[in-house]
Amino acid sequence: AQKVTQAQTEISVVEKEDVTLDCVYETRDTTYYLFWYKQPPSGELVFLIRRNSFDEQNEISGRYSWNFQKSTSSFNFTITASQVVDSAVYFCALSEAPRVTGGGNKLTFGTGTQLKVEL
Amino acid sequence: DAGVTQSPTHLIKTRGQQVTLRCSPKSGHDTVSWYQQALGQGPQFIFQYYEEEERQRGNFPDRFSGHQFPNYSSELNVNALLLGDSALYLCASSLWDITEAFFGQGTRLTVV
Repeated sequence: AQKVTQAQTEISVVEKEDVTLDCVYETRDTTYYLFWYKQPPSGELVFLIRRNSFDEQNEISGRYSWNFQKSTSSFNFTITASQVVDSAVYFCALSEAPRVTGGGNKLTFGTGTQLKVEL
Repeated sequence: DAGVTQSPTHLIKTRGQQVTLRCSPKSGHDTVSWYQQALGQGPQFIFQYYEEEERQRGNFPDRFSGHQFPNYSSELNVNALLLGDSALYLCASSLWDITEAFFGQGTRLTVV
């Protein structure tokens, strides 16, 4: 069975600080995808990034960066120079690759990390 | 290009009643998934529809059922509502062979 653990329930930072959100996953699959979603108070889950299990190259996109380490089953997310608008709940998620399942993308989510960025 | 739309936004029902939630996927998408998100928790997968058939199902009782129409829109039905069914219900749309999923704003169901 797949499992995603986000040990940090809530993080509070002051604006402009860097913050890292941790994600540890468990899966028996050799081919899988990892995701980060942001959920603002409005409720909609906003897609941030997808990574497949064969691509361990870390990625930077503006103030966001992701560190995927297969050896430790971790997929951490860093926000540089945080802003008040970054305040939200962030979810890490895992799914099997469609070619393994024949199609479809059932996502297994962690319990989320509430990020509060204050002035 | 309209994203994923869900209706209604909020709903209050009484225990034992039945409810139907609706979802229109993003234009061009053929797969719809439904998730239940209890307060303070991550979304839990209910089921997924493709080509008007249920393709995958999570650990939810038969009280939860669904349907997908020829235009790819979908409905989630919950019978014999329990207080524990109170949650945010999220719809996600995608292409069948692509993992990237886009979510709607959700329907907040309150059972009293």
